[in-house]
Amino acid sequence: QSVLTQPPSASGTPGQRVTISCSGSSSNIGSKSVNWYQQFPGTAPKLLIYTNSERPSGVPDRFSGSKSGTSASLAISGLQSEDEAEYYCEAWDDSLNGVVFGGGTKLTVL
Amino acid sequence: EVQLVQSGGEVKKPGESLKISCEGSGYGFINYWIAWVRQRPGKGLEWMGIVYPDDYDTRYSPSFQGQVTMSADKSISTAYLQWSSLKASDTAVYYCARQRGYRSESGDFYAYYVDVWGKGTTVTVSS
Repeated sequence: QSVLTQPPSASGTPGQRVTISCSGSSSNIGSKSVNWYQQFPGTAPKLLIYTNSERPSGVPDRFSGSKSGTSASLAISGLQSEDEAEYYCEAWDDSLNGVVFGGGTKLTVL
Repeated sequence: EVQLVQSGGEVKKPGESLKISCEGSGYGFINYWIAWVRQRPGKGLEWMGIVYPDDYDTRYSPSFQGQVTMSADKSISTAYLQWSSLKASDTAVYYCARQRGYRSESGDFYAYYVDVWGKGTTVTVSS
């Protein structure tokens, strides 16, 4: 059971907009920034969004992040087949005094 | 280019010890925390803890405290993760990563995000 809750799966067709949610509590998302990582099978995760909504250089602006209260979302617009991957949210947790991850969401492009 | 290069995969028996490594290059290794993240087969990411190469300060997730030891050798820009007695449940891919974070004057640590990842070391523990 992960501290941050994500839907196990999401899907969309090419060109669509898809959102992935991440729910937490006051000790993590409610008071700290959220980050998102993208992971393809057999490879290391990659930073996708940091500090709620910032994109590292090289990440397409099709990817965006937002946070409200104790929840956060990752949005992918203009969905492409190459976006098919696992997505994880992450935040610092003050109660656990450590980093916590969501369980991951597998995105399928139909 | 900023890189974290991890040691190769390992196959061990239960009860054996193991130390895996992570060498940083292309940046000031001593100035950034190194985190270790576990990913069991078919499962999600788990943050194990961090080590600061400059002064060897270590912080462990409660779930991993006492189960592993993190260390570093700043003279060779390398961080380590070690076990004294492996279990089958330690079978996983272990990633080292550059952890952005802040340590206050009182010693409290708060993580920002991980911006660089190693390729991972696969550890298989089986009798």
